[in-house]
Amino acid sequence: KQEVTQIPAALSVPEGENLVLNCSFTDSAIYNLQWFRQDPGKGLTSLLLIQSSQREQTSGRLNASLDKSSGRSTLYIAASQPGDSATYLCAVGAGGNKLVFGAGTILRVKS
Amino acid sequence: GAGVSQSPSNKVTEKGKDVELRCDPISGHTALYWYRQSLGQGLEFLIYFQGNSAPDKSGLPSDRFSAERTGGSVSTLTIQRTQQEDSAVYLCASSTGQVGARGYTFGSGTRLTVV
Repeated sequence: KQEVTQIPAALSVPEGENLVLNCSFTDSAIYNLQWFRQDPGKGLTSLLLIQSSQREQTSGRLNASLDKSSGRSTLYIAASQPGDSATYLCAVGAGGNKLVFGAGTILRVKS
Repeated sequence: GAGVSQSPSNKVTEKGKDVELRCDPISGHTALYWYRQSLGQGLEFLIYFQGNSAPDKSGLPSDRFSAERTGGSVSTLTIQRTQQEDSAVYLCASSTGQVGARGYTFGSGTRLTVV
């Protein structure tokens, strides 16, 4: 059974700092891995999608990497801003097109 | 439509009542999913529809939960005889449904509170 773990559970950083969020999964047989952002009381916004054949994806200040063999992904946020404060969710595309989610990392960027 | 639309955005119901939650996926997306997010927990898969295939209901927590998708588009999730533990945010997502698809688009969810 695929399990996804995210570390840390919560993170508080000063504005401008670079930071890394970690995601690990137990079964390397995945189709893709996706990072989402969730603001309080809102749905999920897709940030980056990495296919199983890819190593990384970049969008603006965000960079996500994937090491399928070791079951790990990282989300790197450069020059963090208060507007980046949210919960970040990692999800792997498993069999049957389901997504298996981690519990998320709550990020707070202090101004 | 431009995005995944869910209604209602909030629903408060009395224990024992039935509720219906609606999801209108992105036009042309053949795959539709329902997930549940309970307070302080990750998202839990409920059910998956793909085109005209039989749905994957493996995530439904009990027989009080059911879902249908009419005409390959709009989906309704029904919870019968609601219990307090059913209180959660119910999220719907759609995708192109292909392996290695471009990703999933989520709606804003329905926050269900059972009192």
